[in-house]
Amino acid sequence: EPEVTQTPSHQVTQMGQEVILRCVPISNHLYFYWYRQILGQKVEFLVSFYNNEISEKSEIFDDQFSVERPDGSNFTLKIRSTKLEDSAMYFCASSVDGYEQYFGPGTRLTVT
Amino acid sequence: EDQVTQSPEALRLQEGESSSLNCSYTVSGLRGLFWYRQDPGKGPEFLFTLYSAGEEKEKERLKATLTKKESFLHITAPKPEDSATYLCAVLASGGSYIPTFGRGTSLIVHP
Repeated sequence: EPEVTQTPSHQVTQMGQEVILRCVPISNHLYFYWYRQILGQKVEFLVSFYNNEISEKSEIFDDQFSVERPDGSNFTLKIRSTKLEDSAMYFCASSVDGYEQYFGPGTRLTVT
Repeated sequence: EDQVTQSPEALRLQEGESSSLNCSYTVSGLRGLFWYRQDPGKGPEFLFTLYSAGEEKEKERLKATLTKKESFLHITAPKPEDSATYLCAVLASGGSYIPTFGRGTSLIVHP
């Protein structure tokens, strides 16, 4: 069964460093998303991507964040200068039609 | 503002003890309501989509139902492996295609 994959599973970085989180969505899906979940809290939407451009973004997704689809399979989230409060689980999701979303296993980001 | 409230926050059941989880929502119009299962440290796993009041979906010991104001996830004769957090997400009508997630119900099933 096709699934969304994410790498790395755990990333530890120092405050102020740049990180890139990688995702491979399900191959025939057209809509891509990044979410984050701080421990014990709700799943929070960051950004959605369709037709090679950002379609929606939340207030969390400020200038420190960017997304790219560098090739036909990968979808990346870059955080330019990490802060302590960026520590969270980051989930990539994809959807064939913008309705049902299928999530990856997540990347645990720890900023020290 | 769209709101999604799940109750209870936590639920402990004995194996075989059936129960229901609730997701109440306030939206201007409903495109779809989604149920997910999330295990600790893992991503949400898609379970069901419901589109209109009266609709029901089933999978193994789980059955999801939908009214105009709420959805229920019924768990029949649960097993310890059903222990997880169950998330509800609502996609409202309008320009946005981003669902609003509830905080989830943490279910523990004791053997």
